[in-house]
Amino acid sequence: EAQVTQNPRYLITVTGKKLTVTCSQNMNHEYMSWYRQDPGLGLRQIYYSMNVEATDKGDVPEGYKVSRKEKRNFPLILESPSPNQTSLYFCASSLRQGGRADTQYFGPGTRLTVL
Amino acid sequence: GNSVTQMEGPVTLSEEAFLTINCTYTATGYPSLFWYVQYPGEGLQLLLKATKADDKGSNKGFEATYRKETTSFHLEKGSVQVSDSAVYFCALSDYTNAGKSTFGDGTTLTVKP
Repeated sequence: EAQVTQNPRYLITVTGKKLTVTCSQNMNHEYMSWYRQDPGLGLRQIYYSMNVEATDKGDVPEGYKVSRKEKRNFPLILESPSPNQTSLYFCASSLRQGGRADTQYFGPGTRLTVL
Repeated sequence: GNSVTQMEGPVTLSEEAFLTINCTYTATGYPSLFWYVQYPGEGLQLLLKATKADDKGSNKGFEATYRKETTSFHLEKGSVQVSDSAVYFCALSDYTNAGKSTFGDGTTLTVKP
C-alpha cells in the first residue's frame, strides 16, 4: 500500500530534550516536506526537500532541522524543543510535475506536546 | 511571496444545501492549485486539483475552476452530505520556488442532517 508513515503519532516531552520524528514514504517520491498545523494558522511549511541531500527552508524553519540521506526518509529533528513547538506535525511527499510539487500525500500526523 | 486566502469559517449547512468556499491566491509564477480535505483525526488528502488556467478539477461532486483573471479557485458542491463535514484547505505550488507549497488557513464545514 502506498503510504507515508510517521512515528511517533503522539509525543509528550519536556523543554530542551532533543527529539526526532521520523517520516518514511514508499512511493519513490522525490519531494518531501514537513508542516505544522496550529489552530487559526492553517498549515505552515517548515522544511522541504526536492531530492536526496537537497533541503531548504519553508516559512517557519526556526528551531527545526532535517536531513535527507535516503530518498524514502525525511526525519524532523528538534534539538532543543520549546513549548511554542507544541503542535500537530505532518510529513508529506509528492512527485514533481512540470517543475512543481504535484499532489502531496500526507502522513497521519504527530501530535507533539512540549512541557 | 505566495499566499492563499480562504473564506473564513466555520461554515454550517443543512444537508443538501449548496456549498461555496472561496479561495484566492497570489503567486509570482503559474501555480498548480489544489483543494485538500482533512477528516477528523486524519491527515490531509487530495480532493481535486488544476494545473493551468481554465482547468476544472472535480471529484466526489466537488468542483473548482482555475480562474487566472481573478486569481481564484473557489470550491463548490451542489448538494452537501453529513459525510462532507471536514476541514478544507486551498493550496498552491509553483516552480518559481519549486519546493515551496502554500496553504490557506482551512475552512471547517459542518453539515447537519
